[in-house]
Amino acid sequence: EIVLTQFPATLSLSPGERASLSCRASQSISSYLAWYQQKPGQAPRLLIYDASNRATGIPARFSGSGSGTDFTLTISSLEPEDFAVYYCQQCSNWPPLTFGGGTKVEIK
Amino acid sequence: EVQLVESGGGLVQPGGSLRLSCAASGFTFSSYWMHWVRQPPGKGLVWVARIKNDGSSTNYADSVKGRITISRDNAKNTLYLQMNSLRAADTAVYYCAREWTNSGVYYDSWGQGTLVTVSS
Repeated sequence: EIVLTQFPATLSLSPGERASLSCRASQSISSYLAWYQQKPGQAPRLLIYDASNRATGIPARFSGSGSGTDFTLTISSLEPEDFAVYYCQQCSNWPPLTFGGGTKVEIK
Repeated sequence: EVQLVESGGGLVQPGGSLRLSCAASGFTFSSYWMHWVRQPPGKGLVWVARIKNDGSSTNYADSVKGRITISRDNAKNTLYLQMNSLRAADTAVYYCAREWTNSGVYYDSWGQGTLVTVSS
């Protein structure tokens, strides 16, 4: 099973600041990685697929990069609605399809 | 508009059974592979099971194999999760999710979730 490790667990930032979230895979997953955003009481929302492609309707301030084992989700300038938990998900070698433990982006 | 609406969650005793449903609308349900993903309270997302669009193939997480069955009724546009021999560790919000495939397998639509609590 491929394990995804997300860090940091919590990121404390102010609106307008840049956020960089990391996801590391226990073995190479090529570019088979997605990022999701989840707000309290809501279902996750797909942000990025295949490591660097924005999903439909996702603002350009969200970008993804990386391949192999190391990936980054960048939010160029945090908006108030971006404070949430973010999960990465791999689909390179499955089942099982696996998720990272999440990074919470909170208001500083 | 794509909609997925789960139901059937609730409080059940250890060893008990529950059947979750996910009603789909706004898309051609029979064309999509579907999944169940769960989220224990305050924790992360965990993949549970997947079913092919015509119901002919299924996959399960090791933690639920033999106890949980995913199925679907394409005539009713409904996905199911039959859960037996439930344990405290099965306590979670259960989401149904539509599989979307580009080069990888991702989820482009999710339901709002239904809470299953296993407790005596």
